[in-house]
Amino acid sequence: DAGVIQSPRHEVTEMGQEVTLRCKPISGHDYLFWYRQTMMRGLELLIYFNNNVPIDDSGMPEDRFSAKMPNASFSTLKIQPSEPRDSAVYFCASTLHGSSYNEQFFGPGTRLTVL
Amino acid sequence: KNQVEQSPQSLIILEGKNCTLQCNYTVSPFSNLRWYKQDTGRGPVSLTIMTFSENTKSNGRYTATLDADTKQSSLHITASQLSDSASYICVVPGTYKYIFGTGTRLKVLA
Repeated sequence: DAGVIQSPRHEVTEMGQEVTLRCKPISGHDYLFWYRQTMMRGLELLIYFNNNVPIDDSGMPEDRFSAKMPNASFSTLKIQPSEPRDSAVYFCASTLHGSSYNEQFFGPGTRLTVL
Repeated sequence: KNQVEQSPQSLIILEGKNCTLQCNYTVSPFSNLRWYKQDTGRGPVSLTIMTFSENTKSNGRYTATLDADTKQSSLHITASQLSDSASYICVVPGTYKYIFGTGTRLKVLA
């Protein structure tokens, strides 16, 4: 199994530009999570999906952030327009059945820098 | 308020030495606690999970303990190696979402 795949691994953009982060979960996993990690705040849950349906987006910081999961093997996190304070590492994770006893498998992350 | 606090924030030790990382939580109801290891530039990887009824669990040189009464967990690393240099994150599931600690950054020096 290739694990959770994220792209791009690094993204540098200028303030005001649109940024799209991509994630392919582990095949068969029905839960997908988007996290943001900063030194100050650690890992923060942004949104999660169950069977492609958004369940909880209360962690999405602003309307500038949006996420979609058009099918079981693909999800995107979009920031439009981007701001310097959005600079962080964004992780996608997936798990099976959503039981808290099941491990979340994380992707390698996308390091976003907004200039 | 559901919280997970870890200490110390950072730690530097010499190769071959032991160390212990702490995790205190106030999440209720409690079902389990998981320790993740995050290498630089990578996503977190699970080391072990502690359920309510477990007190101690080992995974190679890593030993986790759980005291559900005092709501504390520890991760003990024995005979540290350079490859143990990483961040260690404690996670407790809340009612609606996972509660993450901010992690302990461990640096092992040769």
